[in-house]
Amino acid sequence: EPEVTQTPSHQVTQMGQEVILRCVPISNHLYFYWYRQILGQKVEFLVSFYNNEISEKSEIFDDQFSVERPDGSNFTLKIRSTKLEDSAMYFCASSALDTPRGYGYTFGSGTRLTVV
Amino acid sequence: ILNVEQSPQSLHVQEGDSTNFTCSFPSSNFYALHWYRWETAKSPEALFVMTLNGDEKKKGRISATLNTKEGYSYLYIKGSQPEDSATYLCAFKGDNYGQNFVFGPGTRLSVLP
Repeated sequence: EPEVTQTPSHQVTQMGQEVILRCVPISNHLYFYWYRQILGQKVEFLVSFYNNEISEKSEIFDDQFSVERPDGSNFTLKIRSTKLEDSAMYFCASSALDTPRGYGYTFGSGTRLTVV
Repeated sequence: ILNVEQSPQSLHVQEGDSTNFTCSFPSSNFYALHWYRWETAKSPEALFVMTLNGDEKKKGRISATLNTKEGYSYLYIKGSQPEDSATYLCAFKGDNYGQNFVFGPGTRLSVLP
């Protein structure tokens, strides 16, 4: 069964450093998403991406965040200057169609980001 | 602020017991509700997509119902097995709340052998 893969599974970084989280969505999917879960809190939406551009972003997704689909297969989330409060599990997800009515998301297994 | 709640927060049952838990969401402007199962160290897995009031979905021993007028969905597990142990997440989308889903906090189920 096709999977969404994320790398690395765990990343530790110094505060103020840049990190790039990588995702390979399912190949025939068109819609891509990043969600995160801070320990003990709810899963939160960050950004959705379709047709090579951001279709929606949340308040969390400020100027420190960016997404890219550089080569038609990878989908990356960059945090320019990490803060302690960016520590969370970051999930990539993809879907074949616009998600709401038809299908659920296919999630990756997540990258645990720890900012020290 | 859109609020999606789940109860109970956690649940311990014996193998063979049947159980159910609740997802509550705003009763106005319903568009769709998803249920996910999230096992430790794995990715959340879609169980059900529910779109119509009165929907009932079934997958093996797991089923779900939807009441959009009163703003809740129930997830039922019949004859729980240890492999059902996971966190069960619901995710809600209302018409006027952007393009993406708001997740509940989850119900953590432990099935004891």
